[in-house]
Amino acid sequence: EADIYQTPRYLVIGTGKKITLECSQTMGHDKMYWYQQDPGMELHLIHYSYGVNSTEKGDLSSESTVSRIRTEHFPLTLESARPSHTSQYLCASSESYGISYEQYFGPGTRLTVT
Amino acid sequence: TQLLEQSPQFLSIQEGENLTVYCNSSSVFSSLQWYRQEPGEGPVLLVTVVTGGEVKKLKRLTFQFGDARKDSSLHITAAQPGDTGLYLCAGKETGNQFYFGTGTSLTVIP
Repeated sequence: EADIYQTPRYLVIGTGKKITLECSQTMGHDKMYWYQQDPGMELHLIHYSYGVNSTEKGDLSSESTVSRIRTEHFPLTLESARPSHTSQYLCASSESYGISYEQYFGPGTRLTVT
Repeated sequence: TQLLEQSPQFLSIQEGENLTVYCNSSSVFSSLQWYRQEPGEGPVLLVTVVTGGEVKKLKRLTFQFGDARKDSSLHITAAQPGDTGLYLCAGKETGNQFYFGTGTSLTVIP
């Protein structure tokens, strides 16, 4: 059973608001990821981190930002939400050793911007 | 650029039927994973394959990694309604990023 948590699970917010999506894992994984997914579609990587104070942008351009001050915590922030940000956001983590790098996903945050 | 193409995109079958889902790429992967995702939840890992030609079985599910490590297949025998979900393959190249496939949405009708 993976121990990775996301809050909130659902969020409806107005345009222009600042929001932070929380993600925490208790497995001690160095690598963490944020993906964006529209319903029933593929996952697009928007941010990843290899460890504390390390963050990189993924393949999908995103106006969001991330931080990694603690190993277990990888929050994602949108400074000014827009309707185009409406989507599901999934956080994941993986180990740093071995060759399989299996990812464990949180339950996701479904964001709706009105 | 989409590295991993899955087919079919949608599949609706009767309970008890067999099915195969394909995951194809022109890239070589050091490992490939299969996930199942239910609506409103995150993907859950089913299996990881790392060796070309590798076959893994998980109850009624059989996973195969291509000899050249560019493609994979998932075969389900005697599908059940509990198999319904979105199936995603994900490949890892030599770097640290995973690339997810386009997904196959499976519906098993009782």
